Amino acid sequence: QQPVQSPQAVILREGEDAVINCSSSKALYSVHWYRQKHGEAPVFLMILLKGGEQKGHDKISASFNEKKQQSSLYLTASQLSYSGTYFCGTDPPNGGSQGNLIFGKGTKLSVKP
Amino acid sequence: DTGVSQNPRHKITKRGQNVTFRCDPISEHNRLYWYRQTLGQGPEFLTYFQNEAQLEKSRLLSDRFSAERPKGSFSTLEIQRTEQGDSAMYLCASSSPGGTGANVLTFGAGSRLTVL
Repeated sequence: QQPVQSPQAVILREGEDAVINCSSSKALYSVHWYRQKHGEAPVFLMILLKGGEQKGHDKISASFNEKKQQSSLYLTASQLSYSGTYFCGTDPPNGGSQGNLIFGKGTKLSVKP
Repeated sequence: DTGVSQNPRHKITKRGQNVTFRCDPISEHNRLYWYRQTLGQGPEFLTYFQNEAQLEKSRLLSDRFSAERPKGSFSTLEIQRTEQGDSAMYLCASSSPGGTGANVLTFGAGSRLTVL
């Protein structure tokens, strides 16, 4: 049931773009995206509910394809502050969004000057 | 509000000892969650409360783990007879349903447990 994230790691130069993918074998109600910097707590970025909507947060946006059971996180014109590990979290198969998320293993993003 | 507070931040114990962690959630949040995170992995759900009621407990959680949330405010997570495999970061999060009905988690900084 654990969602699969790809790639596992990515290295960017400042200003470059990146895409992080999150796929599930189960039907999804929602997908949550978090960023965690080394030694810190995960910080919420955005939530996408089923319906294929796309959301944005500054230069970070995401899409959710309910039929394909996958979500993608888009980082545009990356900044040094974007460095960290990105996790997607999905709801268990019993439906609803109760907060008892199943997280992927994460994608480590490193932005270099 | 200072966010989700967890204590202690670090705990080193010997195998077989009991440990207890405390979490103080954001005051207006009615839900409180415990997750565990090991190096290189995403957070793993353990249990959650709505007010004082424990609504779900992961099947992965052994009987040595117990969590309480008396009066629906702070919560404690106790691990009895610790084992080396319990070494991890224990994360607490809180939430309240938003306008969409979805629960967005605010995590605390975590309590790191090392079992020798």
